[in-house]
Amino acid sequence: QKEVEQNSGPLSVPEGAIASLNCTYSDRGSQSFFWYRQYSGKSPELIMFIYSNGDKEDGRFTAQLNKASQYVSLLIRDSQPSDSATYLCAAVGPNSGYSTLTFGKGTMLLVSP
Amino acid sequence: DTEVTQTPKHLVMGMTNKKSLKCEQHMGHRAMYWYKQKAKKPPELMFVYSYEKLSINESVPSRFSPECPNSSLLNLHLHALQPEDSALYLCASSQWAGGTDTQYFGPGTRLTVL
Repeated sequence: QKEVEQNSGPLSVPEGAIASLNCTYSDRGSQSFFWYRQYSGKSPELIMFIYSNGDKEDGRFTAQLNKASQYVSLLIRDSQPSDSATYLCAAVGPNSGYSTLTFGKGTMLLVSP
Repeated sequence: DTEVTQTPKHLVMGMTNKKSLKCEQHMGHRAMYWYKQKAKKPPELMFVYSYEKLSINESVPSRFSPECPNSSLLNLHLHALQPEDSALYLCASSQWAGGTDTQYFGPGTRLTVL
């Protein structure tokens, strides 16, 4: 059973702080990992994807992947109230032909002014 | 441009109605997806089309009928739905590029079944 686990939160951080969102996965064959942001009542919006071990930075966002530990994280620097949303971690692997995203249940982030 | 469009934005239908959801993308993507999302749950895959052919059907009830008229369009035909089918229906598309494939979601259709 392929699973992606996330703490449901809410994770509360003050404005300007670093928010750290974590995700673990059970399928060692998973090769690609995605972070989607979803505002209440809206559709998921792709924030970042990562395929290789290490860090990947894009503006205020950094994704980190550790395949040995089966761990993915998303750091949001200088958090803003507009970052308040649910963050979905997802993985794909060769067993699904790379077509099926396995989603975690999402972590709700609350950034207070 | 990573835009996927969906119509209508909202739909209210009775259990005896027939309606259709539409999805369109002009990114040249070769795969299109339908997801269903209930409140406070992650999206749940329903169907995958690749190169206009149905490649995955996640044991979805026959009251949901997908159609892919061409590589840019995806429809979801609805008939005899139940109130528990009320949800946000999401369309997504991707290049179908193997290990680097990335799915982009449309804005969704909020469906209410009375």
